[in-house]
Amino acid sequence: DAMVIQNPRYQVTQFGKPVTLSCSQTLNHNVMYWYQQKSSQAPKLLFHYYDKDFNNEADTPDNFQSRRPNTSFCFLDIRSPGLGDAAMYLCATSRVRGGGYQETQYFGPGTRLLVL
Amino acid sequence: ELKVEQNPLFLSMQEGKNYTIYCNYSTTSDRLYWYRQDPGKSLESLFVLLSNGAVKQEGRLMASLDTKARLSTLHITAAVHDLSATYFCAVGNYGQNFVFGPGTRLSVLP
Repeated sequence: DAMVIQNPRYQVTQFGKPVTLSCSQTLNHNVMYWYQQKSSQAPKLLFHYYDKDFNNEADTPDNFQSRRPNTSFCFLDIRSPGLGDAAMYLCATSRVRGGGYQETQYFGPGTRLLVL
Repeated sequence: ELKVEQNPLFLSMQEGKNYTIYCNYSTTSDRLYWYRQDPGKSLESLFVLLSNGAVKQEGRLMASLDTKARLSTLHITAAVHDLSATYFCAVGNYGQNFVFGPGTRLSVLP
């Protein structure tokens, strides 16, 4: 089945130790998103890629970076995780057609990050 | 700045009852999305509403959109326990802000 896959599902890291989260998709969607979701809150968009074009949200900390080496994969790098970065990280994909029409977003299962 | 509100934020209802969740947004948008999230899980797409007056139904859930009032509703008919989850609306389109509402946490009690 076509889907959005995230690895790992759970990640434990130490304060300040870099971590990379992975997302892959078999939907061949042109847009991939990274969200941060803390307990009992709505997902917060960090950034997204439209094809190879990177789009950062204005309030996303510099500590968060992303890479999209090809259509199928996208990575979230947290350079120096702090305690406040502990959260669920959700990857999503969508197809954006001509004229900017966006279909719904399909979400992966998420990676729960714990910072010790 | 696009703002999205949902009411209520918490909803506890008995099985078999009907109820409506409201989603208001602050700026013009012709697309609205509803998602469901079970505890500890990811988001699942429920509905995409694309135009004024759009209505979509799936099982016991029905969503509608009034772009003039900047309002969407998610109506629950004869609730069952399996509908217990958090429901998010989201507004926007590519090139615009894409903003989620705060979510409505629904508990359906036997």
